[in-house]
Amino acid sequence: NAGVTQTPKFQVLKTGQSMTLQCAQDMNHNSMYWYRQDPGMGLRLIYYSASEGTTDKGEVPNGYNVSRLNKREFSLRLESAAPSQTSVYFCASDWGTGLLYEQYFGPGTRLTVT
Amino acid sequence: EDKVVQSPLSLVVHEGDTVTLNCSYEVTNFRSLLWYKQEKKAPTFLFMLTSSGIEKKSGRLSSILDKKELFSILNITATQTGDSAVYLCAVCPYNQGGKLIFGQGTELSVKP
Repeated sequence: NAGVTQTPKFQVLKTGQSMTLQCAQDMNHNSMYWYRQDPGMGLRLIYYSASEGTTDKGEVPNGYNVSRLNKREFSLRLESAAPSQTSVYFCASDWGTGLLYEQYFGPGTRLTVT
Repeated sequence: EDKVVQSPLSLVVHEGDTVTLNCSYEVTNFRSLLWYKQEKKAPTFLFMLTSSGIEKKSGRLSSILDKKELFSILNITATQTGDSAVYLCAVCPYNQGGKLIFGQGTELSVKP
């Protein structure tokens, strides 16, 4: 089992460029999440998908869009990157609401916007 | 607004010391509290504490939850250099899609 995988590992963008971060899990989890981590601020939820076919905003959704492509894959898109989106992005998954299981995290994508 | 606060933000100790990391929270409809360890990469799960499981122990690590006073502590005894990491506390509320609310993290450095 690979667990949660993310691509790419590193990315540098210029302001205004777009890109999509990919995430996949092979644990048959129902729910998937996108977080960003900035120095001194812990992890903050951007978007989540409680189940296939649904997505909801988290704490910091502005400037991002998501797609739950199927049960395995959950992508995060930056349509017009800004320097404020420089961060480390983590994808996570778990069995879903109502169930007391931990979230599993991917290795992260380090994004720099210049 | 739901909030999780960790203290201290950073800590330097020597091998063999015992450390206590703190996590306080103000969260509506608390369901569970989780501790993660992060070593320059993905957070890895340590413990989950709930109303029915307020104390957990694994080797040199232990954690308790005080639901009345709204805090949790993570204890590490006989620290080793491999314990150096950022320790994250997160709370999961009910009826919010399983999302986690994280504290800022405590950066622990264990010197030989």
